[in-house]
Amino acid sequence: KNEVEQSPQNLTAQEGEFITINCSYSVGISALHWLQQHPGGGIVSLFMLSSGKKKHGRLIATINIQEKHSSLHITASHPRDSAVYICAVSISNFGNEKLTFGTGTRLTIIP
Amino acid sequence: DTEVTQTPKHLVMGMTNKKSLKCEQHMGHRAMYWYKQKAKKPPELMFVYSYEKLSINESVPSRFSPECPNSSLLNLHLHALQPEDSALYLCASSPVPGRYGYTFGSGTRLTVV
Repeated sequence: KNEVEQSPQNLTAQEGEFITINCSYSVGISALHWLQQHPGGGIVSLFMLSSGKKKHGRLIATINIQEKHSSLHITASHPRDSAVYICAVSISNFGNEKLTFGTGTRLTIIP
Repeated sequence: DTEVTQTPKHLVMGMTNKKSLKCEQHMGHRAMYWYKQKAKKPPELMFVYSYEKLSINESVPSRFSPECPNSSLLNLHLHALQPEDSALYLCASSPVPGRYGYTFGSGTRLTVV
């Protein structure tokens, strides 16, 4: 079982729909990251969370530390939101921290 | 400057070639990372440099050799690669090791023929 699980793996929606992507993790973490990757491209960091909720434009990220669960929401989705969204957690390991990635959610927004 | 710049963007090399990938940032970040990403898979950590010293090597084959000449620059030297090493190689940086978020480069797409 992966330490970071995302759902759904693939999501297709109509433009304007409200989107939710979920992330669950099974280990103690120091932070959780939501990342965006467009096809063939690099990765953009959207949010880093250690508690509560953050909002940036149409994107909202929440985390529940007790339940080891985070969600990424996109309001009023647009075709340019089509990308792979990756949940990653920062885990401490003998004084070093490193990211452990989920397998990603491929989002396609249809005009 | 809030970017991590990777060069080249694309690289095709033969199995006997020696080449280098370059990563540069001018944000004053003291941790830099190399990741390897195969198609439709999440990135895999290869190396971490913390304050210009190698702090994590994820059992990467010796045909990959990292170098951090200064706090702004990270290189990945490639020698005698195999076709299965073809992948997107991503560089990232963070202000201090593992904290305060990461900035990723756009990657170098490497093809080994």
